[in-house]
Amino acid sequence: EDQVTQSPEALRLQEGESSSLNCSYTVSGLRGLFWYRQDPGKGPEFLFTLYSAGEEKEKERLKATLTKKESFLHITAPKPEDSATYLCAVQGGGSEKLVFGKGTKLTVNP
Amino acid sequence: SQTIHQWPATLVQPVGSPLSLECTVEGTSNPNLYWYRQAAGRGLQLLFYSVGIGQISSEVPQNLSASRPQDRQFILSSKKLLLSDSGFYLCAHRLAGVSETQYFGPGTRLLVL
Repeated sequence: EDQVTQSPEALRLQEGESSSLNCSYTVSGLRGLFWYRQDPGKGPEFLFTLYSAGEEKEKERLKATLTKKESFLHITAPKPEDSATYLCAVQGGGSEKLVFGKGTKLTVNP
Repeated sequence: SQTIHQWPATLVQPVGSPLSLECTVEGTSNPNLYWYRQAAGRGLQLLFYSVGIGQISSEVPQNLSASRPQDRQFILSSKKLLLSDSGFYLCAHRLAGVSETQYFGPGTRLLVL
């Protein structure tokens, strides 16, 4: 069964303090690994899709990387507006289902 | 660009009452459509998906059903709500053959009392 574990559950940073969020996964034939950002009371907002080990993608202060067992979301010099819950999901080969982790709640203090 | 709408945004219903949640997508044709539920303290869970009109696949047995009467419309229903049906319901779409990425709507908050 496909599984995703995200750590830490919650993370508090000072503005400008860089850090990384972890997503460990097991999946039968990775079709894609996805990162989303979710603000309270809203739907998840798409950030990145990664397809194979070694792949990296960047957007503003965020950079996502992928290995065969885990993905990292690196946040460089975060700002208070980066505060949100970050969700990781995987999709296995032949499946339409995204399997989500429980998320990491990030708080960035000014 | 594609836009996904859900309504209502918030719903409070008594136990045993029926349910109908609607999702529509603009700016695309023949999308794959998905219903997820997000319960407190749990990850998003896929409930149903559809690859075309009238085609519904169920991922988990439950008190809910789904229908796709039109290409860009997806409906989630129940005949009798349970307390355990409370949660945040999210509709998503994907352009099959173009991208693996699913894009989510704004969600419907359902509270069953």
